[in-house]
Amino acid sequence: KAGVTQTPRYLIKTRGQQVTLSCSPISGHRSVSWYQQTPGQGLQFLFEYFSETQRNKGNFPGRFSGRQFSNSRSEMNVSTLELGDSALYLCASRSQGATTYEQYFGPGTRLTVT
Amino acid sequence: GENVEQHPSTLSVQEGDSAVIKCTYSDSASNYFPWYKQELGKGPQLIIDIRSNVGEKKDQRIAVTLNKTAKHFSLHITETQPEDSAVYFCAAPHGSGNTGKLIFGQGTTLQVKP
Repeated sequence: KAGVTQTPRYLIKTRGQQVTLSCSPISGHRSVSWYQQTPGQGLQFLFEYFSETQRNKGNFPGRFSGRQFSNSRSEMNVSTLELGDSALYLCASRSQGATTYEQYFGPGTRLTVT
Repeated sequence: GENVEQHPSTLSVQEGDSAVIKCTYSDSASNYFPWYKQELGKGPQLIIDIRSNVGEKKDQRIAVTLNKTAKHFSLHITETQPEDSAVYFCAAPHGSGNTGKLIFGQGTTLQVKP
């Protein structure tokens, strides 16, 4: 099976712009979660989507949003970018069985805000 | 809120030696504890995990132990090799393991010297 894929791999944006990142989960996986990774804060949970519905949300401002499509692919959007949004954004997918806990990460999208 | 503490932040060992990384968690409901390895420029890779109904799990040179009473779990790597050099993260779920929301430790940078 192919792993989790994320596009684009690198992005450079200017403060105030908005950005959309894309994630394709492992085939058959229906749960997609997003994380932000920075040197200072480490890995922080943004949100989780399952069956096109947001199931969990982390402690991030409303500028961070996401959605999931019927084929389980997911996008996250960050509006009004700030310098502090520079980070590696990681997507992870799960099989969503009642006893299936394993979560697999993609390579990430490196976002730089200037 | 939930918290996962990880120690040490850096660890340097000689090739062939053992390495131990320790984590403590705060959420009593957590029942699943994964370990991830992240190499430079890549996303975190799931290397081993343990559920709360067992105390130890092994996979070749890697083992994880869990003490639910003390709320701590550890990663043990034996016969370390240079390719083990990476950043290692422990994690615990927000509540039950059937969630995409993982709380991560701050990471341990492991250096294996040839």
